[in-house]
Amino acid sequence: TQLLEQSPQFLSIQEGENLTVYCNSSSVFSSLQWYRQEPGEGPVLLVTVVTGGEVKKLKRLTFQFGDARKDSSLHITAAQTGDTGLYLCAGDNDYKLSFGAGTTVTVRA
Amino acid sequence: EPEVTQTPSHQVTQMGQEVILRCVPISNHLYFYWYRQILGQKVEFLVSFYNNEISEKSEIFDDQFSVERPDGSNFTLKIRSTKLEDSAMYFCASSIRAAYGYTFGSGTRLTVV
Repeated sequence: TQLLEQSPQFLSIQEGENLTVYCNSSSVFSSLQWYRQEPGEGPVLLVTVVTGGEVKKLKRLTFQFGDARKDSSLHITAAQTGDTGLYLCAGDNDYKLSFGAGTTVTVRA
Repeated sequence: EPEVTQTPSHQVTQMGQEVILRCVPISNHLYFYWYRQILGQKVEFLVSFYNNEISEKSEIFDDQFSVERPDGSNFTLKIRSTKLEDSAMYFCASSIRAAYGYTFGSGTRLTVV
C-alpha cells in the first residue's frame, strides 16, 4: 500500500493571502497528480507533475514535485473565495492512483 | 470538453442483490478505472482495465466484483451480491495514459439497505 499524507487537513485563510498544501510519501511515484473535488462530484484534474524537481504554474497555482519524486506541494498566491474546496493529491504507479485524504481549503471574503 | 458519463447517478439496492454500474469513458482513452469513496473517507482504487483485460486490482476487488467492456463505448462494474459495506460513491475514470492524468465521472451513489 502506497500512503500519501496531506497536510494540513484543514486550512482557513483570508482572501488575498497565500497558502501551501503539502503531500508526502515514502514511496516513489511515476507521477504526482493534483485534483479538486466538489461535494458529491468526482475529482477534477488540476495538474500532473512527472519529473523530479518539476514546477508547474497554472495562473495563481504553483505545483512542485520533489526531487526524489516522493512529495509535492501546491501553493496558491493571493487566494480568492473561488479557491475554496477540497484539494487531493494522488500518486500514480502501476495503472493506479493512490489518493491522499485531502486538504479542505476555505477562503474567507 | 469531453467527459466521462456515469449512470445511474443514484442506486438503492437490497443487500444480496446484484448491481451494475455503467460508464461511458472518453472515446479516445485507452485506460479505464473504477474507484470508490465511502462517505467521509479517501478515494480508493478498485481496478484498472486496458486492452480488454484487468491490469491491476486492489484487495477490495474480490470475487464479488467484475468489470466488462461489452462494446466499444461502455465500461461496467458489477457487484454480484451487495453488502451493506458496499455503500459508497463509485467513480469511473479514463485516461489516454496514466501520467497525463485521469478524467473522472460524476459518480454513482450506491446505497445498500
